[in-house]
Amino acid sequence: AAGVIQSPRHLIKEKRETATLKCYPIPRHDTVYWYQQGPGQDPQFLISFYEKMQSDKGSIPDRFSAQQFSDYHSELNMSSLELGDSALYFCASSFFQDRGDYEQYFGPGTRLTVT
Amino acid sequence: GESVGLHLPTLSVQEGDNSIINCAYSNSASDYFIWYKQESGKGPQFIIDIRSNMDKRQGQRVTVLLNKTVKHLSLQIAATQPGDSAVYFCAENISGGGADGLTFGKGTHLIIQP
Repeated sequence: AAGVIQSPRHLIKEKRETATLKCYPIPRHDTVYWYQQGPGQDPQFLISFYEKMQSDKGSIPDRFSAQQFSDYHSELNMSSLELGDSALYFCASSFFQDRGDYEQYFGPGTRLTVT
Repeated sequence: GESVGLHLPTLSVQEGDNSIINCAYSNSASDYFIWYKQESGKGPQFIIDIRSNMDKRQGQRVTVLLNKTVKHLSLQIAATQPGDSAVYFCAENISGGGADGLTFGKGTHLIIQP
């Protein structure tokens, strides 16, 4: 079965640089979520989109922005990178219109290292 | 083996034994709970979920119990196997919206000893 695709899988950036992470949801899924997971930490919710509109917002820094496109893929843009932004970034997707199922399917993650 | 208290970072069990992983959630208004399994370097993998109108749900070798009175969730894994070694997270949907983010609890690292 098709899964969530994230690219790139690994990314190394220097402080103050920018980064763009991409997420391709499972076909037919209309909702995407972004999470950040620091080393040894639990995933922290950043932001979600349903039908290209922002749905929910978590602990996303002002330096970060995201959007969902007409083909439902999503991009997380990160500017003025800091050392503390080094983490695994997960995208998850779900099919919101199936109101009985809130299950979020996670991608393999992008490991961002800021040096 | 059984984890106790709000969070036990590591739970070690013998292969073939049953495991119980506990989780205390934060919001009495949460209506949806999920257990995820995360292997090293991979994304969280769905195990089982439960809605707040239920107190027990069973899957294949796994059972989730929900005690709303004390805001406690547990995951029982029967006859643990080496492939069960991973970090297990409970997560809750606090706001009740289907497109809303999940709030994860602290993970428990389950170690299976031969």
